[in-house]
Amino acid sequence: DIQMTQSPSSLSASVGDRVTITCRASQSISTYLNWYQQKPGKAPKLLTYSASTLQSGVPSRFSGGGSGTDFTLTIRGLQPEDFAIYYCHQSSSFPRTFGQGTKVEIK
Amino acid sequence: EVPLVESGGGLVQPGGSLRLSCAASGFTFGDYEMNWVRQAPGKGLEWISYISSSGRTVYYADSVKGRFTISRDNADNSLSLQMNSLRAEDTAVYYCARERVSTGQDFDYWGLGTLVTVSS
Repeated sequence: DIQMTQSPSSLSASVGDRVTITCRASQSISTYLNWYQQKPGKAPKLLTYSASTLQSGVPSRFSGGGSGTDFTLTIRGLQPEDFAIYYCHQSSSFPRTFGQGTKVEIK
Repeated sequence: EVPLVESGGGLVQPGGSLRLSCAASGFTFGDYEMNWVRQAPGKGLEWISYISSSGRTVYYADSVKGRFTISRDNADNSLSLQMNSLRAEDTAVYYCARERVSTGQDFDYWGLGTLVTVSS
Protein backbone atom coordinates (compact mmCIF):
# COMPACT_ATOMS: atom_id res chain seq x y z
CA ASP A 1 0.00 0.00 0.00
CA ILE A 2 1.13 3.54 -0.70
CA GLN A 3 1.47 5.61 2.47
CA MET A 4 0.78 9.33 2.28
CA THR A 5 2.46 11.53 4.88
CA GLN A 6 1.46 15.15 5.30
CA SER A 7 3.38 17.84 7.14
CA PRO A 8 2.80 19.67 9.26
CA SER A 9 -0.14 18.04 11.06
CA SER A 10 -1.32 21.49 12.07
CA LEU A 11 -0.28 25.08 11.65
CA SER A 12 -1.32 28.51 12.84
CA ALA A 13 -1.39 31.36 10.37
CA SER A 14 -2.82 34.82 9.95
CA VAL A 15 -5.13 36.19 7.31
CA GLY A 16 -3.02 37.21 4.34
CA ASP A 17 -0.23 34.72 5.03
CA ARG A 18 1.22 32.30 2.54
CA VAL A 19 0.85 28.70 3.70
CA THR A 20 2.46 25.57 2.25
CA ILE A 21 1.47 22.02 3.12
CA THR A 22 3.55 19.10 1.93
CA CYS A 23 2.55 15.54 1.14
CA ARG A 24 4.99 12.70 0.58
CA ALA A 25 4.13 9.35 -0.99
CA SER A 26 5.95 6.18 0.04
CA GLN A 27 6.55 5.40 -3.65
CA SER A 28 6.19 7.25 -6.91
CA ILE A 29 2.63 8.14 -7.89
CA SER A 30 3.50 10.30 -10.92
CA THR A 31 0.95 13.14 -10.68
CA TYR A 32 -1.96 11.09 -9.35
CA LEU A 33 -2.30 13.40 -6.37
CA ASN A 34 -5.37 15.34 -5.31
CA TRP A 35 -6.00 17.85 -2.54
CA TYR A 36 -9.24 18.33 -0.60
CA GLN A 37 -10.45 20.87 1.91
CA GLN A 38 -12.82 19.87 4.69
CA LYS A 39 -14.65 22.15 7.08
CA PRO A 40 -16.32 20.95 10.30
CA GLY A 41 -19.45 18.89 9.66
CA LYS A 42 -19.05 19.11 5.90
CA ALA A 43 -17.99 16.76 3.15
CA PRO A 44 -14.52 17.17 1.64
CA LYS A 45 -14.23 19.50 -1.34
CA LEU A 46 -11.85 18.92 -4.24
CA LEU A 47 -9.30 21.73 -4.60
CA THR A 48 -6.71 20.46 -7.06
CA TYR A 49 -6.27 17.28 -9.09
CA SER A 50 -3.48 15.68 -11.08
CA ALA A 51 -1.08 17.40 -8.67
CA SER A 52 -1.41 20.91 -10.05
CA THR A 53 -4.73 21.47 -11.84
CA LEU A 54 -7.14 23.77 -10.06
CA GLN A 55 -10.69 22.43 -9.83
CA SER A 56 -13.32 24.63 -11.43
CA GLY A 57 -14.63 27.26 -9.05
CA VAL A 58 -11.70 27.07 -6.63
CA PRO A 59 -10.00 30.45 -5.98
CA SER A 60 -6.68 30.99 -7.72
CA ARG A 61 -4.90 31.59 -4.39
CA PHE A 62 -4.78 27.79 -4.11
CA SER A 63 -2.08 25.99 -6.09
CA GLY A 64 -0.67 22.50 -6.17
CA GLY A 65 2.66 21.19 -7.35
CA GLY A 66 5.02 18.28 -7.42
CA SER A 67 5.39 14.88 -8.99
CA GLY A 68 6.73 11.47 -8.13
CA THR A 69 6.76 11.35 -4.34
CA ASP A 70 6.77 14.98 -3.17
CA PHE A 71 3.85 17.37 -3.47
CA THR A 72 2.74 20.72 -2.12
CA LEU A 73 -0.43 22.69 -1.63
CA THR A 74 0.11 26.43 -1.32
CA ILE A 75 -2.40 29.04 -0.28
CA ARG A 76 -1.33 32.58 -1.15
CA GLY A 77 -3.08 35.26 0.85
CA LEU A 78 -4.94 33.12 3.40
CA GLN A 79 -8.60 34.12 3.78
CA PRO A 80 -10.87 33.57 6.81
CA GLU A 81 -12.81 30.90 4.90
CA ASP A 82 -9.61 28.90 4.34
CA PHE A 83 -9.30 27.78 7.93
CA ALA A 84 -10.03 24.08 7.59
CA ILE A 85 -8.40 20.65 7.36
CA TYR A 86 -6.59 19.75 4.14
CA TYR A 87 -6.04 16.20 2.88
CA CYS A 88 -3.90 14.82 0.10
CA HIS A 89 -5.09 11.70 -1.73
CA GLN A 90 -3.29 9.36 -4.10
CA SER A 91 -5.27 7.87 -6.96
CA SER A 92 -2.38 6.00 -8.57
CA SER A 93 -3.26 2.56 -7.26
CA PHE A 94 -5.53 0.59 -4.97
CA PRO A 95 -6.03 0.86 -2.09
CA ARG A 96 -6.56 4.59 -2.50
CA THR A 97 -5.00 6.37 0.46
CA PHE A 98 -5.25 9.77 2.10
CA GLY A 99 -2.78 11.74 4.12
CA GLN A 100 -3.60 12.18 7.78
CA GLY A 101 -4.69 15.78 7.27
CA THR A 102 -3.30 19.22 8.05
CA LYS A 103 -5.36 21.54 10.20
CA VAL A 104 -4.94 25.21 9.35
CA GLU A 105 -5.89 27.35 12.34
CA ILE A 106 -6.12 31.06 12.96
CA LYS A 107 -3.14 32.59 14.74
CA GLU B 1 -28.15 20.92 -5.72
CA VAL B 2 -26.16 18.05 -4.24
CA PRO B 3 -25.87 15.28 -6.83
CA LEU B 4 -25.16 12.53 -4.28
CA VAL B 5 -27.30 11.76 -1.22
CA GLU B 6 -26.49 8.95 1.19
CA SER B 7 -29.03 7.19 3.40
CA GLY B 8 -29.32 4.13 5.59
CA GLY B 9 -27.07 5.04 8.47
CA GLY B 10 -28.04 4.52 12.08
CA LEU B 11 -27.30 2.68 15.30
CA VAL B 12 -26.49 -1.01 15.04
CA GLN B 13 -25.16 -3.55 17.50
CA PRO B 14 -21.74 -5.17 17.07
CA GLY B 15 -22.04 -8.11 14.70
CA GLY B 16 -25.07 -6.60 13.02
CA SER B 17 -25.67 -5.51 9.44
CA LEU B 18 -26.61 -2.30 7.68
CA ARG B 19 -27.11 -1.32 4.06
CA LEU B 20 -26.14 2.14 2.91
CA SER B 21 -27.46 3.73 -0.26
CA CYS B 22 -26.30 6.65 -2.33
CA ALA B 23 -28.77 8.25 -4.73
CA ALA B 24 -27.26 10.07 -7.69
CA SER B 25 -28.88 12.79 -9.75
CA GLY B 26 -28.01 15.43 -12.30
CA PHE B 27 -25.40 13.42 -14.18
CA THR B 28 -25.10 10.19 -16.16
CA PHE B 29 -24.42 7.86 -13.25
CA GLY B 30 -23.40 4.92 -15.43
CA ASP B 31 -20.48 6.91 -16.87
CA TYR B 32 -18.68 7.22 -13.54
CA GLU B 33 -16.72 5.04 -11.17
CA MET B 34 -17.86 5.38 -7.56
CA ASN B 35 -16.30 5.04 -4.14
CA TRP B 36 -17.16 4.88 -0.47
CA VAL B 37 -14.99 6.83 1.97
CA ARG B 38 -15.52 6.95 5.71
CA GLN B 39 -14.43 9.19 8.55
CA ALA B 40 -14.42 8.05 12.17
CA PRO B 41 -15.31 10.73 14.74
CA GLY B 42 -12.47 13.23 15.00
CA LYS B 43 -10.31 11.24 12.57
CA GLY B 44 -9.14 11.52 8.97
CA LEU B 45 -10.53 10.15 5.73
CA GLU B 46 -10.35 6.43 4.97
CA TRP B 47 -11.12 5.05 1.51
CA ILE B 48 -12.99 1.76 1.82
CA SER B 49 -14.36 0.66 -1.54
CA TYR B 50 -14.48 1.28 -5.30
CA ILE B 51 -16.74 0.07 -8.09
CA SER B 52 -16.20 0.55 -11.81
CA SER B 53 -18.81 2.21 -14.00
CA SER B 54 -20.08 -1.15 -15.22
CA GLY B 55 -20.00 -2.71 -11.78
CA ARG B 56 -17.72 -5.51 -12.93
CA THR B 57 -14.63 -4.39 -11.02
CA VAL B 58 -14.58 -3.75 -7.28
CA TYR B 59 -11.87 -3.12 -4.71
CA TYR B 60 -11.91 -2.96 -0.93
CA ALA B 61 -9.70 -1.76 1.87
CA ASP B 62 -8.30 -4.58 3.98
CA SER B 63 -10.22 -3.22 6.96
CA VAL B 64 -13.57 -4.14 5.37
CA LYS B 65 -12.70 -6.91 2.92
CA GLY B 66 -14.93 -9.93 3.39
CA ARG B 67 -17.46 -7.97 5.44
CA PHE B 68 -18.61 -5.17 3.13
CA THR B 69 -19.99 -5.47 -0.41
CA ILE B 70 -20.28 -2.59 -2.86
CA SER B 71 -22.80 -2.68 -5.70
CA ARG B 72 -24.58 -0.35 -8.07
CA ASP B 73 -27.73 -0.15 -10.17
CA ASN B 74 -27.13 2.11 -13.14
CA ALA B 75 -30.77 1.93 -14.19
CA ASP B 76 -31.78 3.27 -10.80
CA ASN B 77 -28.84 5.71 -10.43
CA SER B 78 -27.91 4.20 -7.10
CA LEU B 79 -24.86 2.93 -5.25
CA SER B 80 -25.02 0.60 -2.24
CA LEU B 81 -22.77 -0.67 0.51
CA GLN B 82 -23.84 -3.80 2.35
CA MET B 83 -22.07 -3.90 5.70
CA ASN B 84 -22.03 -7.14 7.68
CA SER B 85 -20.29 -8.25 10.89
CA LEU B 86 -20.05 -4.65 12.01
CA ARG B 87 -17.53 -3.67 14.66
CA ALA B 88 -17.16 -0.69 16.94
CA GLU B 89 -14.32 0.56 14.76
CA ASP B 90 -16.70 0.81 11.80
CA THR B 91 -18.39 3.76 13.53
CA ALA B 92 -17.98 6.67 11.14
CA VAL B 93 -19.62 9.02 8.71
CA TYR B 94 -19.81 7.25 5.36
CA TYR B 95 -19.53 9.28 2.17
CA CYS B 96 -20.12 8.20 -1.40
CA ALA B 97 -17.84 9.97 -3.87
CA ARG B 98 -17.82 10.22 -7.65
CA GLU B 99 -14.55 9.46 -9.40
CA ARG B 100 -13.46 11.17 -12.59
CA VAL B 101 -11.30 8.85 -14.65
CA SER B 102 -10.54 11.45 -17.33
CA THR B 103 -8.73 13.74 -14.88
CA GLY B 104 -6.69 11.23 -12.90
CA GLN B 105 -9.24 9.48 -10.73
CA ASP B 106 -9.99 12.36 -8.40
CA PHE B 107 -13.19 12.51 -6.32
CA ASP B 108 -14.98 15.57 -7.63
CA TYR B 109 -18.34 15.19 -5.92
CA TRP B 110 -19.10 13.89 -2.46
CA GLY B 111 -22.39 13.26 -0.73
CA LEU B 112 -23.29 14.83 2.59
CA GLY B 113 -22.53 11.61 4.45
CA THR B 114 -24.52 9.24 6.65
CA LEU B 115 -23.52 8.34 10.20
CA VAL B 116 -23.13 4.72 11.21
CA THR B 117 -22.77 4.00 14.92
CA VAL B 118 -21.86 0.49 16.04
CA SER B 119 -22.54 0.11 19.73
CA SER B 120 -24.37 -2.11 22.18
